[in-house]
Amino acid sequence: DQQVKQNSPSLSVQEGRISILNCDYTNSMFDYFLWYKKYPAEGPTFLISISSIKDKNEDGRFTVFLNKSAKHLSLHIVPSQPGDSAVYFCAASARQNFVFGPGTRLSVLP
Amino acid sequence: EAGVAQSPRYKIIEKRQSVAFWCNPISGHATLYWYQQILGQGPKLLIQFQNNGVVDDSQLPKDRFSAERLKGVDSTLKIQPAKLEDSAVYLCASSSLAVEQFFGPGTRLTVL
Repeated sequence: DQQVKQNSPSLSVQEGRISILNCDYTNSMFDYFLWYKKYPAEGPTFLISISSIKDKNEDGRFTVFLNKSAKHLSLHIVPSQPGDSAVYFCAASARQNFVFGPGTRLSVLP
Repeated sequence: EAGVAQSPRYKIIEKRQSVAFWCNPISGHATLYWYQQILGQGPKLLIQFQNNGVVDDSQLPKDRFSAERLKGVDSTLKIQPAKLEDSAVYLCASSSLAVEQFFGPGTRLTVL
């Protein structure tokens, strides 16, 4: 039973365009959501987070949107750069207990 | 600030052998996590420590996996005996009071 889903295993976008990565969750007890980025042979790196009491959080080129009623969140990257090519994991937390999605591989084409 | 350190980076063993992984978290981080990441999947929590006490080990296969965090700092994760399905990357992460976790580079285990 996957509590955190990322239904797109991969995504390709052109450099300079917007990348939108999606994540769905099932457990309404989750109160914090995070996005991590992972390069090959490295551990995941924290990117951006959002509390369940907010619907948007922005940090530079990265914005996370949360729709609690739909149990859906998305990560927007604008503009996309080749260095953004990586695997992106969505994670959800309840009382510092984390559940990760399976990841989406983003390829930004020059 | 030094990041989370893990060793070894790679390990190849035969099934039924034993293996141990080591993690040194970021200084001052009270919470330490061990995750198992199988190829194509997201990290799965194995065990969570708060200082040197276990907070959650509900997904740790306790018949073969064990972990300890002595003095609330370094931690070791052991598998004894290993099975083929244990082949994965084992990630250690730490966090302070903030929610964000900081991950080490991981140990890639191959069981033949």
